[in-house]
Amino acid sequence: KQEVTQIPAALSVPEGENLVLNCSFTDSAIYNLQWFRQDPGKGLTSLLLIQSSQREQTSGRLNASLDKSSGRSTLYIAASQPGDSATYLCAVYGNQFYFGTGTSLTVIP
Amino acid sequence: GAVVSQHPSWVICKSGTSVKIECRSLDFQATTMFWYRQFPKQSLMLMATSNEGSKATYEQGVEKDKFLINHASLTLSTLTVTSAHPEDSSFYICSAREMDRGNQPQHFGDGTRLSIL
Repeated sequence: KQEVTQIPAALSVPEGENLVLNCSFTDSAIYNLQWFRQDPGKGLTSLLLIQSSQREQTSGRLNASLDKSSGRSTLYIAASQPGDSATYLCAVYGNQFYFGTGTSLTVIP
Repeated sequence: GAVVSQHPSWVICKSGTSVKIECRSLDFQATTMFWYRQFPKQSLMLMATSNEGSKATYEQGVEKDKFLINHASLTLSTLTVTSAHPEDSSFYICSAREMDRGNQPQHFGDGTRLSIL
């Protein structure tokens, strides 16, 4: 069964800092990997989708990479802002979605 | 973009009552919808896959008689938690995938927070 792990579980950084969130998965037979943002008590907002044939995707200050062979993905956030504070989830899609437990990010003004 | 509406967003009810949660795709048709549950500080876990016009497929450990799923149209799936108890309190999220887009992204609702007293 697919297992998705996210490290660190929590992260606190000062505003303006660049940061990296990590995601690893055990089964490389995936169709795509997706990064989501979840605010407290809210649903999911899709940030980036990387197809299995792709290496990375970029949107604004966000860059996500995928190394399927090693079962790893990273989400890079540049010039962090207090509004970036949220929980970030990665999910891999094979025959269904498997979610990681998330990284809770706090950006301190 | 594709929008999934989930209703209600928050419900509190007494133990023993049944609660229905709706998931609607507003601007696209979805033959398949998914129901997830998220306990505090845990990740989303797939409960069941809802297929329009046929029975839902439940994940291991999910009681199909307790969590009734109906997907009567291409834009609506409902999850009914029957005889709810405090341990059913959780955050329930649905998602929908557009027709004929097998491996394309699912669109998520905003979730329903269920609290059973």
